[in-house]
Amino acid sequence: AQKVTQAQTEISVVEKEDVTLDCVYETRDTTYYLFWYKQPPSGELVFLIRRNSFDEQNEISGRYSWNFQKSTSSFNFTITASQVVDSAVYFCALGSGNTGKLIFGQGTTLQVKP
Amino acid sequence: EAQVTQNPRYLITVTGKKLTVTCSQNMNHEYMSWYRQDPGLGLRQIYYSMNVEVTDKGDVPEGYKVSRKEKRNFPLILESPSPNQTSLYFCASSRQSTVSGANVLTFGAGSRLTVL
Repeated sequence: AQKVTQAQTEISVVEKEDVTLDCVYETRDTTYYLFWYKQPPSGELVFLIRRNSFDEQNEISGRYSWNFQKSTSSFNFTITASQVVDSAVYFCALGSGNTGKLIFGQGTTLQVKP
Repeated sequence: EAQVTQNPRYLITVTGKKLTVTCSQNMNHEYMSWYRQDPGLGLRQIYYSMNVEVTDKGDVPEGYKVSRKEKRNFPLILESPSPNQTSLYFCASSRQSTVSGANVLTFGAGSRLTVL
């Protein structure tokens, strides 16, 4: 069975703190992709990143970084020096197979307080 | 601007009254899909379409219908809505990737449906 688990339902931090959002996935496929999407209070879903199962290099984009570890089936997302605008629901998702379907985790609500 | 447009954005209806949520994309994408978002469950796929006249069930298709008569449009039809279909609905599209699982979905703004 394929599954994505985001065990942290809600996280609250103070501005400028670093925060890591956890994502653990399950799949038997050898080729798959992992995604992170952001859902700000306005409600739309914004694509952040896609990584394939053969590329375990960490990725950094400004204050955002992603740590993909196949050994622990994890794809964690870190925000450095968080800002109030980072407040949102963040979804981790798994894509595999030929249906184009993404399997989403439950989402983590991040609140960054000023 | 490249986008996926859904309408209506908000709707309150009553049990049994048929409704349609429209979805249109202007990116010439082959692939389109509907998801519903519920608290604690994330997003779950309802239906998807690989191309015109090709549709298939996702994980939670019961109570829904779709059609894909044109490439740009993918309406979601609730023939007889029930309260358990109260949810936030998202339409999404992507170029059809030849690589398994690689589709990057572009989502619409969402349609919040309440069925009384």
